[in-house]
Amino acid sequence: DTEVTQTPKHLVMGMTNKKSLKCEQHMGHRAMYWYKQKAKKPPELMFVYSYEKLSINESVPSRFSPECPNSSLLNLHLHALQPEDSALYLCASSQGAGGAAGANVLTFGAGSRLTVL
Amino acid sequence: AQKITQTQPGMFVQEKEAVTLDCTYDTSDPSYGLFWYKQPSSGEMIFLIYQGSYDQQNATEGRYSLNFQKARKSANLVISASQLGDSAMYFCAMREVNSGGSNYKLTFGKGTLLTVNP
Repeated sequence: DTEVTQTPKHLVMGMTNKKSLKCEQHMGHRAMYWYKQKAKKPPELMFVYSYEKLSINESVPSRFSPECPNSSLLNLHLHALQPEDSALYLCASSQGAGGAAGANVLTFGAGSRLTVL
Repeated sequence: AQKITQTQPGMFVQEKEAVTLDCTYDTSDPSYGLFWYKQPSSGEMIFLIYQGSYDQQNATEGRYSLNFQKARKSANLVISASQLGDSAMYFCAMREVNSGGSNYKLTFGKGTLLTVNP
């Protein structure tokens, strides 16, 4: 079983809906990430939280709104999405987001597969 | 220019044989880490193996080994004794320590789809 849990596994939403993706880890990791992956493409970084603060926003449209309520939880709030936003959304965590290169292996969840109609 | 290049979109291997998945990278940073992840059709990214730029020996993890050739900037993954369950997409990734000292960004290659035939 994965140590990073994502819910829901599948989500279908209309362009006017508001929904949220949730991610939870209990490994004591202090960095959490959202990645977006289109079919047959590599994952693309969206956001990084380090110690519950947003460290990186990779110029993601404002219709995606991340939230980190505590060190174990990461949410991605979705509003007014477009059909091209349909993708697999992967959450990941690592012990930290800084320090020696490679020391912080990312552990990924199983992903939330989003379809926007 | 691509930072991570995986030139094999697809590879086939017979069960129980070994297979090498190619990965080359481009960086001017002396400190970096190289990772391989496996992604089955279910979607989860599974960490396989890590190699640091200063590591003297090639990394090994069970049936996985990394053929690290620093001068050639290559980090090929070798899977020995392939199993049917090894059929998946394999991604090579790199993490650099940038001038700010944070190494948050994992840059992925385009992936290689491995099919293990019985």
